[in-house]
Amino acid sequence: EVQLVQSGAEVKKPGESLKISCKGSGYSFSNHWIGWVRQMPGKGLESMGIIYPGDSDTRYSPSFQGQVTISADKSITTAYLQWSSLKASDTAIYYCARTMTPELVDAFDIWGQGTMVTVSS
Amino acid sequence: EIVMTQSPATLSVSPGDRATLSCRAGQSVRSNLAWFQQKPGQAPRLLIYASSTRATGIPARFSGSVSGTDFTLTISSLQSEDFAIYYCQQYNDWPPLTFGGGTKVEIK
Repeated sequence: EVQLVQSGAEVKKPGESLKISCKGSGYSFSNHWIGWVRQMPGKGLESMGIIYPGDSDTRYSPSFQGQVTISADKSITTAYLQWSSLKASDTAIYYCARTMTPELVDAFDIWGQGTMVTVSS
Repeated sequence: EIVMTQSPATLSVSPGDRATLSCRAGQSVRSNLAWFQQKPGQAPRLLIYASSTRATGIPARFSGSVSGTDFTLTISSLQSEDFAIYYCQQYNDWPPLTFGGGTKVEIK
């Protein structure tokens, strides 16, 4: 079965760092782009950036450039999203998702279950 | 950045009726558009890609079409499980991959 399994919910304080993960299985992880999508409470979907695990080519959405770091370790079929200094406004559900076609950036066909990140003092 | 505008924000429909959801792109995205369904507490699910191709396992009552920069998702006969929020997303020009603001389909 093709799936993406994300790490569990996190509760952090402002200023703390965080790294969440997304482990792929059941397919050739290196060959499909992985995207990260933010959903703030009660709001819509926002694309943060995408990474090609095969060579770690990473593209950030302008709104998120410099705010987060996206990375991947193809040896353990895992992608990551990290913050160096969290803000309360980072409180959201974060989804990872796989693009459908190898090597292409197209529709996200497989989604992780989401990771809830709560940032509160 | 390509802006995707969905309308209406909320659509009230009776079970068994047809629902028509719209998504307009701020510039050409060719046919590089997907539709997703999201239910409360769940991750989005891919319904349609390439504007009109149903994803694996998606019932035939869901269909997509395009005219220029105007995209439509039609649900021919709403079932109880179809009440959800629907998002469109373009993947023609990136980054960023942009989503519309969503249409909530609720029970009338």
